Amino acid sequence: AQSVTQLGSHVSVSEGALVLLRCNYSSSVPPYLFWYVQYPNQGLQLLLKYTTGATLVKGINGFEAEFKKSETSFHLTKPSAHMSDAAEYFCALTQGDMRFGAGTRLTVKP
Amino acid sequence: SQTIHQWPATLVQPVGSPLSLECTVEGTSNPNLYWYRQAAGRGLQLLFYSVGIGQISSEVPQNLSASRPQDRQFILSSKKLLLSDSGFYLCAWRDRYYFGEQFFGPGTRLTVL
Repeated sequence: AQSVTQLGSHVSVSEGALVLLRCNYSSSVPPYLFWYVQYPNQGLQLLLKYTTGATLVKGINGFEAEFKKSETSFHLTKPSAHMSDAAEYFCALTQGDMRFGAGTRLTVKP
Repeated sequence: SQTIHQWPATLVQPVGSPLSLECTVEGTSNPNLYWYRQAAGRGLQLLFYSVGIGQISSEVPQNLSASRPQDRQFILSSKKLLLSDSGFYLCAWRDRYYFGEQFFGPGTRLTVL
């Protein structure tokens, strides 16, 4: 069965610091992987996705993620956090049915 | 380009009252459609999905029902709301033939008092 685990329900960083949000997956076949961002009282917005090909994928707002098959991970990073990055982030995978992680709330301190 | 609409944006309803939330998609045909709920402090819970008109699959038995009267219209309903139905309801669509990302609507905040 496929599943997604996001390590850390809350992450707090200072403005300008590295953002690292962790996602591990379980899948019997190579999945498609996604990161979504959700701002308060809004829907989910796709940040980036991995399907096939290059394992380092770049998304909107300066975020990127690297697919590591050996580690079954798809961690989300951003070199320098901005106050506007404060939001809830969801990792997801699909092999047909989409499975979401529980979410990580990112707080950015001034 | 494709867009997805949900209304109303917010709703406050008394316990025992009926519910109807609507979702429509523009710019695509034959989409898969989904209803999710986010309870306070919790993740996404898939409630229903539909692969075509009149075809509804329920993921979690509960006080809610869904219908798809038209190809790009998805409705979430209840005959009698419970306090536990409060939450943020999200509609999403996906291309039927591409097992990729889902695209989400802006959501409806439902408060049951």
